[in-house]
Amino acid sequence: DGGITQSPKYLFRKEGQNVTLSCEQNLNHDAMYWYRQDPGQGLRLIYYSQIVNDFQKGDIAEGYSVSREKKESFPLTVTSAQKNPTAFYLCASSTSGFSSYNEQFFGPGTRLTVL
Amino acid sequence: GQQVMQIPQYQHVQEGEDFTTYCNSSTTLSNIQWYKQRPGGHPVFLIQLVKSGEVKKQKRLTFQFGEAKKNSSLHITATQTTDVGTYFCAGISGGYNKLIFGAGTRLAVHP
Repeated sequence: DGGITQSPKYLFRKEGQNVTLSCEQNLNHDAMYWYRQDPGQGLRLIYYSQIVNDFQKGDIAEGYSVSREKKESFPLTVTSAQKNPTAFYLCASSTSGFSSYNEQFFGPGTRLTVL
Repeated sequence: GQQVMQIPQYQHVQEGEDFTTYCNSSTTLSNIQWYKQRPGGHPVFLIQLVKSGEVKKQKRLTFQFGEAKKNSSLHITATQTTDVGTYFCAGISGGYNKLIFGAGTRLAVHP
């Protein structure tokens, strides 16, 4: 059963703690993305990776970090430097990067609440 | 910065009525994609338009890409309760080269 998995679905953390959100895909996609969704807003790009061992900042990368050591995995760390981390985080993947105009497949999301 | 504006923000309709959401960009888009997000769910790809003036249909849904490739619309004929959700447009602006999402239109359908 191919797809994208994100865990956990809900995550609670204390202010000042770093937290890592997982994203795994078995679609054999080269490109992976992290978006943040806030109520009433569209999806904002945090980081993206078009190939293993390479990634680029999106529009709101400050306070976040990523790694892409394996094709299947693209974890996102929300650091204590992120001023307003409470949000719904969506991971996505596509066959290749933006310039190929491929559709993006989204995971179920992780709702992070920082107390 | 690069922006894709989407209107309306919310739309409430009676079941059976039509619905339209509009997407506008200040710059020419290379493509336009439409996604649907059900309440509590994640965005799911609906369709992509690439050509100027392109029109595509999926059952009761009609998608259009403007002649100038700066606007797009999604029209749903005779809405059903299963159409409930938020519809997002997203496009790549030639110079920016990343997918930019509109804020979405939330559709509520009353039976």
